[in-house]
Amino acid sequence: GNSVTQMEGPVTLSEEAFLTINCTYTATGYPSLFWYVQYPGEGLQLLLKATKADDKGSNKGFEATYRKETTSFHLEKGSVQVSDSAVYFCALSPYDDYKLSFGAGTTVTVRA
Amino acid sequence: SAVISQKPSRDICQRGTSLTIQCQVDSQVTMMFWYRQQPGQSLTLIATANQGSEATYESGFVIDKFPISRPNLTFSTLTVSNMSPEDSSIYLCSVSGQGENTEAFFGQGTRLTVV
Repeated sequence: GNSVTQMEGPVTLSEEAFLTINCTYTATGYPSLFWYVQYPGEGLQLLLKATKADDKGSNKGFEATYRKETTSFHLEKGSVQVSDSAVYFCALSPYDDYKLSFGAGTTVTVRA
Repeated sequence: SAVISQKPSRDICQRGTSLTIQCQVDSQVTMMFWYRQQPGQSLTLIATANQGSEATYESGFVIDKFPISRPNLTFSTLTVSNMSPEDSSIYLCSVSGQGENTEAFFGQGTRLTVV
């Protein structure tokens, strides 16, 4: 079946530090890959996505590249801010379906 | 994009009772999904709700416990029946994009506490 394995946290960083959250997946065919973010007290929001191999999704300074050879979609940001403190979820949907499978979520705390 | 409104946003319920959660979308969508997020955990899909047919439940979830209605293309309800403290979770409604757009949109969620 489809599954997502995500680096577990919590992760605590200082402002302007580099952030990487690892995500690998198992799926048949060519799934779409997503990173969702859940800020404190808010609902789930799409951060970025990639729908085919070698695509790079980017938003708000975050980037992730769809690597089919390593079945990975690692999230990176070069310089984090306090406002990036949130829970980050990696997710996939199969190529022929809209159902999402989520990773466990990674709690990121950025300190000033 | 789609704007999703969920009601109630939170509730505290007695064990053995039932709660119905409403999900309203600002546009017509074919598929709606209900997820559960247990405390400190990730999201798990409960079921897919399609208009005009019975909901499709994922492994571990049954219609008697989580009956779903989908009367039209903009609305759905999820009922959590005969609740126990283990049902304390955030329940989220989601809709998918159409055609090439695979993005999913989520409601704010309903935070349920069963005492």
